Amino acid sequence: ETGVTQSPTHLIKTRGQQVTLRCSSQSGHNTVSWYQQALGQGPQFIFQYYREEENGRGNFPPRFSGLQFPNYSSELNVNALELDDSALYLCACSLAGVLTDTQYFGPGTRLTVL
Amino acid sequence: LAKTTQPISMDSYEGQEVNITCSHNNIATNDYITWYQQFPSQGPRFIIQGYKTKVTNEVASLFIPADRKSSTLSLPRVSLSDTAVYYCLDTNAGKSTFGDGTTLTVKP
Repeated sequence: ETGVTQSPTHLIKTRGQQVTLRCSSQSGHNTVSWYQQALGQGPQFIFQYYREEENGRGNFPPRFSGLQFPNYSSELNVNALELDDSALYLCACSLAGVLTDTQYFGPGTRLTVL
Repeated sequence: LAKTTQPISMDSYEGQEVNITCSHNNIATNDYITWYQQFPSQGPRFIIQGYKTKVTNEVASLFIPADRKSSTLSLPRVSLSDTAVYYCLDTNAGKSTFGDGTTLTVKP
């Protein structure tokens, strides 16, 4: 049990729609990272948020955006959904400024785009 | 952050020791080496982390040579429940690049 929760668990959308995924941590970790994991592959880094600002981004287009709130919870927004966006979306919480800090992952949201 | 290289799959039997080796050819000075375990439809779970030499915790040992270009995760006496995907990462301040992992299958 990592104390990181994500909602919803599963989601089905159609191409062109928009989706918002949520993440929260009970442990007060002030940094949140989002990952996309396609079937059979490792998680791919989307971006990281610290102090409500984006703090690093992977190779994902601008239609992937995020928010971090003062209580450190976070949202991942994806606009203009494409079929290839179907994946498991993971958030991971950690403590900024600590090189050795571990990331604590949530259980993920399974997004299916039809 | 660099992507690591590890075997795609490994098989073992219950009660055996399993060693999974990873290549960290582009590791940076400030990067740590971290290993995660992932079960299907779950988020990765932290196993162990180190910078150099040997680290041991209640579930695994991690061996890192002086040049830090490789690491070996050692799982003593595996059980069926250790069947999972194992990822080795170069990590820095919570940022990580995952490879495709090693699928470990433990057989009875």
